[in-house]
Amino acid sequence: KAGVTQTPRYLIKTRGQQVTLSCSPISGHRSVSWYQQTPGQGLQFLFEYFSETQRNKGNFPGRFSGRQFSNSRSEMNVSTLELGDSALYLCASSVGDGTGYFGPGTRLTVT
Amino acid sequence: AQSVTQPDIHITVSEGASLELRCNYSYGATPYLFWYVQSPGQGLQLLLKYFSGDTLVQGIKGFEAEFKRSQSSFNLRKPSVHWSDAAEYFCAVGRPPMEYGNKLVFGAGTILRVKS
Repeated sequence: KAGVTQTPRYLIKTRGQQVTLSCSPISGHRSVSWYQQTPGQGLQFLFEYFSETQRNKGNFPGRFSGRQFSNSRSEMNVSTLELGDSALYLCASSVGDGTGYFGPGTRLTVT
Repeated sequence: AQSVTQPDIHITVSEGASLELRCNYSYGATPYLFWYVQSPGQGLQLLLKYFSGDTLVQGIKGFEAEFKRSQSSFNLRKPSVHWSDAAEYFCAVGRPPMEYGNKLVFGAGTILRVKS
């Protein structure tokens, strides 16, 4: 089976802009979770989608949002980008047993 | 709330030596425990997981981990380290997904350096 794919792999944006990241889960996985990884804060949970519904949400401002489509692909959106949003954004898919299988990540740089 | 502590930020071992990375968790019930490895600029690769049953679990690349409820620990071990094991290792804890979803809480990570 193909693994989790994330696009794009790298992004450079300017403060104030918005960005959309995409994640395609492993075939048959209906759960998609998003994580932000920074040197200062480590790996932090953003949100989880399961069957097109947000099931869990981390402690991030409303500028961070997501959605999931009927084919389980997920997108996350960050509006009004700030310098502190520079991070590696990781997507994980799960078949539902609690195990997360991670994609390669999207490296977002905000200038 | 769940939490994970990895006491060692950096560890250096010689190639061929044994390795133990420490992980302590805080969670009221039986946790779902994981170890992941991350090479620079890459995603996380699952090494092994523990849900229930035998407290010694085997993973990929020759790694194993032991769940000790009395110590709230889930330490990762490898008997003989290879230079290719140099990476960052993360311990994570989750809860029963049917009730709580698939959210994972991660430790801060341990960077492993291997000396030749």
